[in-house]
Amino acid sequence: DAGVIQSPRHEVTEMGQEVTLRCKPISGHNSLFWYRQTMMRGLELLIYFNNNVPIDDSGMPEDRFSAKMPNASFSTLKIQPSEPRDSAVYFCASSWAMGSLKEQYFGPGTRLTVT
Amino acid sequence: RKEVEQDPGPFNVPEGATVAFNCTYSNSASQSFFWYRQDCRKEPKLLMSVYSSGNEDGRFTAQLNRASQYISLLIRDSKLSDSATYLCVVDQAGTALIFGKGTTLSVSS
Repeated sequence: DAGVIQSPRHEVTEMGQEVTLRCKPISGHNSLFWYRQTMMRGLELLIYFNNNVPIDDSGMPEDRFSAKMPNASFSTLKIQPSEPRDSAVYFCASSWAMGSLKEQYFGPGTRLTVT
Repeated sequence: RKEVEQDPGPFNVPEGATVAFNCTYSNSASQSFFWYRQDCRKEPKLLMSVYSSGNEDGRFTAQLNRASQYISLLIRDSKLSDSATYLCVVDQAGTALIFGKGTTLSVSS
């Protein structure tokens, strides 16, 4: 069974460009989470969805960030315009229970570098 | 006050050593507790859940002290393959998970 799939695995872009990160959760999971990890701040929750509905987006840093989940098998995280301080590893995770009380399965991450 | 605090380490131990990691959390309403493991440049993976009565999985033992809002992880007979970052994870009153910044363990031969 395939795990959480993320693309691209690496992204290098220039400041001001739009960046779109993609995630395919594990089939059957009903919760999806987007995280950002940096050395300074650790792993931070950006937003999570339950049954394709955004539940909590309080972790989204600012209006430049947006996330969608049009169906149970696909989600995107978009940054427009990107800035150097957005450089980080972005993880998508999924689980089959609401509220994160069950194990979350993480994708391999997208390493984003904004120059 | 940070929601989940861990000693970042690094902890450098020889093979066969016993090592303990500690973690404190700030939300007394938290209900679920976990330890995740993250290898260098990899994604976090669940190591074990932490139950009120304490639980053991092979060489790993997790303890929870709700009164002190304190969680621990004990690793016995350390192996080279245990080298990783260990993340303390606490739920935010039944909703999202909050991750600590992690404690780095390096086991040497």
